[in-house]
Amino acid sequence: DTEVTQTPKHLVMGMTNKKSLKCEQHMGHRAMYWYKQKAKKPPELMFVYSYEKLSINESVPSRFSPECPNSSLLNLHLHALQPEDSALYLCASSQERGPHGYTFGSGTRLTVV
Amino acid sequence: AQSVTQPDIHITVSEGASLELRCNYSYGATPYLFWYVQSPGQGLQLLLKYFSGDTLVQGIKGFEAEFKRSQSSFNLRKPSVHWSDAAEYFCAVVDWYNNNDMRFGAGTRLTVKP
Repeated sequence: DTEVTQTPKHLVMGMTNKKSLKCEQHMGHRAMYWYKQKAKKPPELMFVYSYEKLSINESVPSRFSPECPNSSLLNLHLHALQPEDSALYLCASSQERGPHGYTFGSGTRLTVV
Repeated sequence: AQSVTQPDIHITVSEGASLELRCNYSYGATPYLFWYVQSPGQGLQLLLKYFSGDTLVQGIKGFEAEFKRSQSSFNLRKPSVHWSDAAEYFCAVVDWYNNNDMRFGAGTRLTVKP
């Protein structure tokens, strides 16, 4: 299995909702990442997990809450989002942090209404 | 400031023509370099990567890239473009020496004319 699987593919949520994005990989990778990508822009790093511990939080608002329950799973919990949070959320994994290519999932297209 | 730059926002080439997409970086030490491709609404697919060694790197889908230290560049090339190559292309770096994770250039959108 050489894939990163993200669910759901599309999500529409209201500003008062709580929802979660899920990311899964079975490549034995020990680093996992969340990126946010707005239309016609490059991906921007949000969070980095290394060996299931949060290594990097790129000053992301607390309405985004990451969780890494085990080495294969990465979640992003969403609460009280704003319309400007609408974007493609990409999950990626790599063998470890450092000189390795990242494998990206297909993303979750999030719309906040 | 540390940065990765893709000077061309949009490039149009005819099918069958050659392609070169530019990428320049500005880091104290040479970062690890990558090219990714993204079709509309999709995730990113790794085309190729450079860590060290041979400066001409072969990738998937007939792409290659050349690392030039003197020019701080890592340009992507393809000798003959196919209509299916139309997509967004991102140059990315991992500045591991400063413990930084993958960062992306602004991207170049490729349009292929019939």
